[in-house]
Amino acid sequence: QVQLKESGPGLVQPSQTLSLTCTVSGFSLTSYSVHWVRQHSGKSLEWMGRMWSDGDTSYNSAFTSRLSISRDTSKSQVFLKMNSLQTEDTGTYYCARGSGMDAWGQGASVTVSS
Amino acid sequence: DVVLTQTPSILSATIGQSVSISCRSSQSLLDSDGNTYLYWFLQRPGQSPQRLIYLVSNLGSGVPNRFSGSGSGTDFTLKISGVEAEDLGVYYCMQATHAPNTFGAGTKLELK
Repeated sequence: QVQLKESGPGLVQPSQTLSLTCTVSGFSLTSYSVHWVRQHSGKSLEWMGRMWSDGDTSYNSAFTSRLSISRDTSKSQVFLKMNSLQTEDTGTYYCARGSGMDAWGQGASVTVSS
Repeated sequence: DVVLTQTPSILSATIGQSVSISCRSSQSLLDSDGNTYLYWFLQRPGQSPQRLIYLVSNLGSGVPNRFSGSGSGTDFTLKISGVEAEDLGVYYCMQATHAPNTFGAGTKLELK
């Protein structure tokens, strides 16, 4: 069945770089896009960016200067890297499948703190 | 960016009651390809969001038919015909017609 699973460090120091991995199964990254979505605790959802099935990327301009999304299709993994982290980047980061976001990972909780 | 305004922010209901949630967009969500990219999600406590409705009114796989979506242009509605306990949580609308995708602030459905 379709599954997505986020992984990465739970704690990141301010000004450092966040690296998260979304490992998928049950579908091919060359057939479906994968989104990254962030949620601050108790708050709404914020779309960050997308890896398209053809390898192209789209980003929310709110993150453009410090966000990068890439992939390794052989490992069925999509990567998020965001630099210059601040405390306001604390939250839960999700990856989701396809234009309609019909499947989501369980989320990766990230705390930015010294 | 497109702003989606959801009302109410909190909805108290009894089991079996029918309820509706409104999602109003700051711009028309009708795309030039003829589709309207408006979605509804439910986030149960402690869980990830799950998609309920896609393209305004299409029921997602495995979603009970007590859920229905309607609307056009800038005004959209999610209706639950007979709330069940498993429906409690926060509902979000999302648009993908205009970049970037944006979400509403959410409507919390709780038991009265």
